[in-house]
Amino acid sequence: EDQVTQSPEALRLQEGESSSLNCSYTVSGLRGLFWYRQDPGKGPEFLFTLYSAGEEKEKERLKATLTKKESFLHITAPKPEDSATYLCAVKTPAAFDKLIFGTGTRLQVFP
Amino acid sequence: NAGVTQTPKFQVLKTGQSMTLQCAQDMNHNSMYWYRQDPGMGLRLIYYSASEGTTDKGEVPNGYNVSRLNKREFSLRLESAAPSQTSVYFCASSEVKNTEAFFGQGTRLTVV
Repeated sequence: EDQVTQSPEALRLQEGESSSLNCSYTVSGLRGLFWYRQDPGKGPEFLFTLYSAGEEKEKERLKATLTKKESFLHITAPKPEDSATYLCAVKTPAAFDKLIFGTGTRLQVFP
Repeated sequence: NAGVTQTPKFQVLKTGQSMTLQCAQDMNHNSMYWYRQDPGMGLRLIYYSASEGTTDKGEVPNGYNVSRLNKREFSLRLESAAPSQTSVYFCASSEVKNTEAFFGQGTRLTVV
C-alpha cells in the first residue's frame, strides 16, 4: 500500500536555528513529490515539486531534496513567519491521478 | 487572480440535511479534486475529475456526490449529512497529471 510518513509531528525552533523536516514514502512508482505549506485556517500553498532522486529545489530559506526513499525540507535560519504546517505528498501511477498526503509537520519558530 | 474559490467558508448542518459545496477555478486546469482534512488523518481524496465530463471516486467517497458542471466548476454534494462528515473540505485543481495542485481556502463544515 502506498504510504507517506512525515516526521517529526511537531518542531519548535528558535529564530535562526536551522533544521530539517523528513518525508519518507513507500509507493509503487513515484511520479512526483510535492511540498506544501499550510497556515491555520487556510488551504495548502504549493512550495516545490521533485521528480527524481538527487533533485533539489530552493526558495528563500527553504531547500527540498529527494532520495529514492525520502525527501527532506531543510529550513535555514528560520524566522517566525516560517511557522506553519508543512505537508508532503506524492503522486503514483495509479488508475487515477491523486496526491497521497502525509499528516504534516507543525513548525513553530520563536523569536 | 483568484485561483481556486470555494463557497461557503463555514457551514453548520443538522444531521440529515443536504448541502452543496461549490468550487470554481480560473486557471483553465483540466483536473479538479475534493479532499477532506481531519486531525491526525491528513488530506484524503473524496472525488476527482480528470477532465470536463468525467468524475471518479477517491479514497473516501461514501456519502458524497459530485458534479463537474463545466471546466471551471466542480461541486460536492452531501445528500444526508452525518456527524462523521464534520471536517474541513478543500477543492483543488491541477493542469495535467504529475503537476502540482492548487488549493482553495477550504470549507469548515460541522454536522450536529
